[in-house]
Amino acid sequence: DQQVKQNSPSLSVQEGRISILNCDYTNSMFDYFLWYKKYPAEGPTFLISISSIKDKNEDGRFTVFLNKSAKHLSLHIVPSQPGDSAVYFCASRGGSNYKLTFGKGTLLTVNP
Amino acid sequence: DTEVTQTPKHLVMGMTNKKSLKCEQHMGHRAMYWYKQKAKKPPELMFVYSYEKLSINESVPSRFSPECPNSSLLNLHLHALQPEDSALYLCASSQEQTLNTEAFFGQGTRLTVV
Repeated sequence: DQQVKQNSPSLSVQEGRISILNCDYTNSMFDYFLWYKKYPAEGPTFLISISSIKDKNEDGRFTVFLNKSAKHLSLHIVPSQPGDSAVYFCASRGGSNYKLTFGKGTLLTVNP
Repeated sequence: DTEVTQTPKHLVMGMTNKKSLKCEQHMGHRAMYWYKQKAKKPPELMFVYSYEKLSINESVPSRFSPECPNSSLLNLHLHALQPEDSALYLCASSQEQTLNTEAFFGQGTRLTVV
């Protein structure tokens, strides 16, 4: 049973435009959410996080929005750059053991 | 310094070999993790160490044996692996297991079992 779902396996956007990556979760015990970026054959790199007490967190070109009632979060990248092309994983943690649970990832391609 | 260092980067081993993966961090983190990632899949948690004690074992086969010699080091001992164990093995650390902070990942060890 997938507790963290990224329903879009891939997304393609033009350089300079906005990239929006979506993530849904089912476990109401999750209270901390993270986005990681991953290049092939490398470890995930932490991008941005948000606590369940907030609905928005911004860091430069990256903004994460959290809608707790819908159990939905999204990552906005603006403006998108070709170097942003990578797989983006949504991850959540919470519950009694604070495990980090990952979604399946979305491959973002930013075209020049 | 937010670096988690894993060695080796690549490893090829036979099914009868014994090898070890190593992970090191100097951020003062007290939680360390081993994840396994197959191609086109998300990282899957294997083990969690908290304050150098094994906290979570996600029903991992005994041919994988973790060890935490001190607060900066985490090892994964491998013995009698199967070809299906070939994957990217990722080490991560975070400030504490029960604190909602980010986990930092190493570059991974690409393991091939032949």
